[in-house]
Amino acid sequence: SYELTQPPSVSVSPGQTARITCSGDALPETYAYWYQQKSGQAPVLVIYEDTKRPSGIPERFSGSSSGTMATLTISGAQVEDEADYYCYSTDSSSQWKVFGTGTKVTVL
Amino acid sequence: EVQLVESGGGLVKPGGSLRLSCAASAFTFNTYNMNWVRQAPGKGLEWVSSISSRSSDIYYADSVKGRFTISRDNAKNSVYLQMNALRAEDTAVYYCARAGAFCRTTSCYAPDYWGQGTLVTVSS
Repeated sequence: SYELTQPPSVSVSPGQTARITCSGDALPETYAYWYQQKSGQAPVLVIYEDTKRPSGIPERFSGSSSGTMATLTISGAQVEDEADYYCYSTDSSSQWKVFGTGTKVTVL
Repeated sequence: EVQLVESGGGLVKPGGSLRLSCAASAFTFNTYNMNWVRQAPGKGLEWVSSISSRSSDIYYADSVKGRFTISRDNAKNSVYLQMNALRAEDTAVYYCARAGAFCRTTSCYAPDYWGQGTLVTVSS
C-alpha cells in the first residue's frame, strides 16, 4: 500500500498564512489534490494537479509541490477557512489511491 | 449542476450485507471513472474502491478486498457498492465521488464532485 502524511493541526490568526504539508514517496511522479471538509459536509476540491484551482475557489488557496512534499497554502486565512484538509494522490503505478491523514486548520 | 445521490445505508449486524447505490445526473456518466470513499465517525477520509468508465478497471483498498464489490450500470447512470461480511470497523459515511473532469488519462480517479454520503452502521 501507500501512505500520505500530514500534520494533525495548523493554527493561524485571521489574515495570516497557513501552510499544510503532505508527504509521500511517489509525489515526485504523481499529482497531489487537496480537499476541504467543513464539519458535517462533504469534501470540496480546492486544488488539483498540484497547483490548479477549480472555478469558484478563492485565490487565497494555492498549491505547490517539490520532491516528496506537496503544500497547500491559504494566504490571508479567513474564519470561514476553518476546516479539515486532506491531500490525495496515488502510488507511481496508480493502483493505490490514498488520502492523507488530514489536517485540522483553526483560524482564531 | 452535477449531482450524486447515495442511498442504501442503514443499520446491519456484523456479518451482514448491504448494497449502496449512487445515482448520477447532469453529466455524461458513461465517460467518467467513479469512486467510493468512506469516513468513519470522527476519522479521516479512506478510499474504498474505484471503477473505470466502462468497468474494465476495478480497484479496492486492502481493507475491503474480497468483501466489497463495485459495479456500475451506465444505462441507469448509477454506481453500486455491494458490501458483504460487514464488520464493526466498516461503520462509516460512504461517499460516491466522480473522477475529475480534469482527468486526461484513463488511470486518473481523483475526485472532483462528491455526494452527501450515506451512513452505514454495523452493530449487533
